Amino acid sequence: EAQVTQNPRYLITVTGKKLTVTCSQNMNHEYMSWYRQDPGLGLRQIYYSMNVEVTDKGDVPEGYKVSRKEKRNFPLILESPSPNQTSLYFCASSLSFAGETQYFGPGTRLLVL
Amino acid sequence: GNSVTQMEGPVTLSEEAFLTINCTYTATGYPSLFWYVQYPGEGLQLLLKATKADDKGSNKGFEATYRKETTSFHLEKGSVQVSDSAVYFCALSSGNQFYFGTGTSLTVIP
Repeated sequence: EAQVTQNPRYLITVTGKKLTVTCSQNMNHEYMSWYRQDPGLGLRQIYYSMNVEVTDKGDVPEGYKVSRKEKRNFPLILESPSPNQTSLYFCASSLSFAGETQYFGPGTRLLVL
Repeated sequence: GNSVTQMEGPVTLSEEAFLTINCTYTATGYPSLFWYVQYPGEGLQLLLKATKADDKGSNKGFEATYRKETTSFHLEKGSVQVSDSAVYFCALSSGNQFYFGTGTSLTVIP
């Protein structure tokens, strides 16, 4: 089954404790992206990747890192989480670029205390 | 810059009512336009899209037409069902980035 998976689905952590949210797709997509969803703000793009070893900032990259060492995986790293990073996070992928249909993961709900 | 503005919600309709959710955009170049739908507890799914001016996207009875002259991409459905209750997001892609509106929550009551 074609899908985007994220782990964990729910996470509670404390300020400053490094964490990684994993994202994996099995569709051989080149484009992958991370978003955060906040009430009243919709989804905002954090980082995206056009292909392996090619990543770029979206609209709200501060406090986040990403890497793309393999085509299928695109982890989101919070080196020192803060409470304002409490949010619902979505990973998405598309075949080759942003203008194509994006397939979304189920979301990761993060609470930073 | 690029941005999407969509109608504030929430919207509550009776079954079989006509639905319109307004969406306007600001973009450089020639963006592609999308409507995504999010059901409770799930990720977003593509509902429909249009890649150039005057294109009409359609799916599951929903339609939207890419209007360059009014920079709009309004979502319409002639007769909504209870199963259409969800949050609807208008979005555009420009260059390598994606921009979403704030979402409109729709509840359809029997």
